[in-house]
Amino acid sequence: DSGVTQTPKHLITATGQRVTLRCSPRSGDLSVYWYQQSLDQGLQFLIQYYNGEERAKGNILERFSAQQFPDLHSELNLSSLELGDSALYFCASSVGHNEQFFGPGTRLTVL
Amino acid sequence: SQQGEEDPQALSIQEGENATMNCSYKTSINNLQWYRQNSGRGLVHLILIRSNEREKHSGRLRVTLDTSKKSSSLLITASRAADTASYFCATDRRNQGGKLIFGQGTELSVKP
Repeated sequence: DSGVTQTPKHLITATGQRVTLRCSPRSGDLSVYWYQQSLDQGLQFLIQYYNGEERAKGNILERFSAQQFPDLHSELNLSSLELGDSALYFCASSVGHNEQFFGPGTRLTVL
Repeated sequence: SQQGEEDPQALSIQEGENATMNCSYKTSINNLQWYRQNSGRGLVHLILIRSNEREKHSGRLRVTLDTSKKSSSLLITASRAADTASYFCATDRRNQGGKLIFGQGTELSVKP
């Protein structure tokens, strides 16, 4: 158990819909990262927050947004979903440039 | 885009043998991390090696880093069937805030 929690574990939805994925980092970790894993793209960095502020952005679509709340949990919002958004979405947390610990992931299926 | 290139893409060995996976990257790094993933499940952190380190051990794992060649290797000694998984290297690039760039991974199969 990494100490990072993610909900829900599985999500099945239809094209055009909007979903919210939730992540709670390990106690004390200020940095939260979101990654997407798909068969064709592999593991890709989406976005990073540090203590409530956006720190870095990767190849995140405009339809996707995220935020980190004062209690340090983070949410990833995916809207206008397309079939190609089906993937595993991981959240990770860390302290500085140290090990990143990953949550169990949310498997999103868009039908 | 992927920072790391891993080879081999797939590796099949017998229990008790050693497994070596290699990772190459392109830019200066703060550290390089290795992860294991069992069949579509979560990523388990194995080991982190910093840019000023050359070798690190953790149990049956040995990681080396050659910054002049921009490459790293992960050695698993005396492998077990339970080591069957995908292994990924990930780089924390300089001046990039800590995000990890992952390689495509090596799929390791250890046969009993």
